[in-house]
Amino acid sequence: GAVVSQHPSWVICKSGTSVKIECRSLDFQATTMFWYRQFPKQSLMLMATSNEGSKATYEQGVEKDKFLINHASLTLSTLTVTSAHPEDSSFYICSVSTSAGGLPGGYTFGSGTRLTVV
Amino acid sequence: KQEVTQIPAALSVPEGENLVLNCSFTDSAIYNLQWFRQDPGKGLTSLLLIQSSQREQTSGRLNASLDKSSGRSTLYIAASQPGDSATYLCASPANQAGTALIFGKGTTLSVSS
Repeated sequence: GAVVSQHPSWVICKSGTSVKIECRSLDFQATTMFWYRQFPKQSLMLMATSNEGSKATYEQGVEKDKFLINHASLTLSTLTVTSAHPEDSSFYICSVSTSAGGLPGGYTFGSGTRLTVV
Repeated sequence: KQEVTQIPAALSVPEGENLVLNCSFTDSAIYNLQWFRQDPGKGLTSLLLIQSSQREQTSGRLNASLDKSSGRSTLYIAASQPGDSATYLCASPANQAGTALIFGKGTTLSVSS
């Protein structure tokens, strides 16, 4: 399957600053990447679908101006949390679907980023 | 839209026991179902992927089954070990292959030595 690298693994930032999280597909050209958020003791919730070369598709309730997604190449998608606040503190994780040619494949996840806003 | 439910939410067993984790889904037109393991504060590790046309998959001490008609999948862990302690998540594509996954809330497993 694909190998997905996510960076940084953890970050602490001050309230009001912005944080960028990178998700790289190392051996698979990913036209689509997914960004999830996981609060403590909760499951993963989809935030947005990142599409290479076009705008991301955001889930209901996710502010697109706050969570900026850029997918400029087939191997890199970035999530920028702008003007972060303590309530944005969470575990953010990206994923790549390895479906190709109409065949349903699995999904590979990055190692996640623990964001703490103080 | 697909909904995924997992029971139990937590499970504690002594080392050596065989155990079953349950996952149910609402849409039987499922493309595939994937089981993951998540250690505390870590990302997800894929355990088993079952395609729609398959009934089960095996990897080592793990066996996952898929019954589309009943909307259920089970993950069987044989001879559990303390190292198996983690949260186990099942997930299925939202509405077609390659779309985002819908996750259950997971089963947190604790295996005591």
